Amino acid sequence: EAQVTQNPRYLITVTGKKLTVTCSQNMNHEYMSWYRQDPGLGLRQIYYSMNVEVTDKGDVPEGYKVSRKEKRNFPLILESPSPNQTSLYFCASSPAGSTIIGELFFGEGSRLTVL
Amino acid sequence: DQQVKQNSPSLSVQEGRISILNCDYTNSMFDYFLWYKKYPAEGPTFLISISSIKDKNEDGRFTVFLNKSAKHLSLHIVPSQPGDSAVYFCAALRRGLSNTGKLIFGQGTTLQVKP
Repeated sequence: EAQVTQNPRYLITVTGKKLTVTCSQNMNHEYMSWYRQDPGLGLRQIYYSMNVEVTDKGDVPEGYKVSRKEKRNFPLILESPSPNQTSLYFCASSPAGSTIIGELFFGEGSRLTVL
Repeated sequence: DQQVKQNSPSLSVQEGRISILNCDYTNSMFDYFLWYKKYPAEGPTFLISISSIKDKNEDGRFTVFLNKSAKHLSLHIVPSQPGDSAVYFCAALRRGLSNTGKLIFGQGTTLQVKP
């Protein structure tokens, strides 16, 4: 089954404790991206990757890191989480191509709470 | 600076009637627009899209209209069904040689279709 898998789905952590949210897709997509969803703000892009070893900042990259060492995986790293990073996070992927990039396949989301 | 805006946080319609969801954008360089649908506890799923060279695109009960001069797009659902109750996000991007991989989302509109 074609899917984007995120882990963990739910996490409660404390300020400053490094954490990684993993994202894996089995569709051989070149493009991958991370979003956060907050009430009243919709989905905001954190980082994206057009291909392996190519990553770029989205609109809200502060406090996050990513890596793209292999095509299928795109982990989101919070080196020192803070309460304002409490949010619902979505990973998404898309086949290559400038017209297809908009038609994203999303994971089920990871709800993160930072105390 | 919110480049894509959905000014109605919520909308309630009766089953069988038309649902109209609206979206405004400010960046005239956007040339591709999409609508996503999101159920609780799930990731968004792609619904329908439209290129800036068109003013209408239809897919079954869903039609998206684009008014470039007004920088406005709308999603019409006819007839509305209770299963359409979800959060709807509009999104926009620049394609082609200028494609940066950035997909900008609106804040979302929660649609409730009453039986």
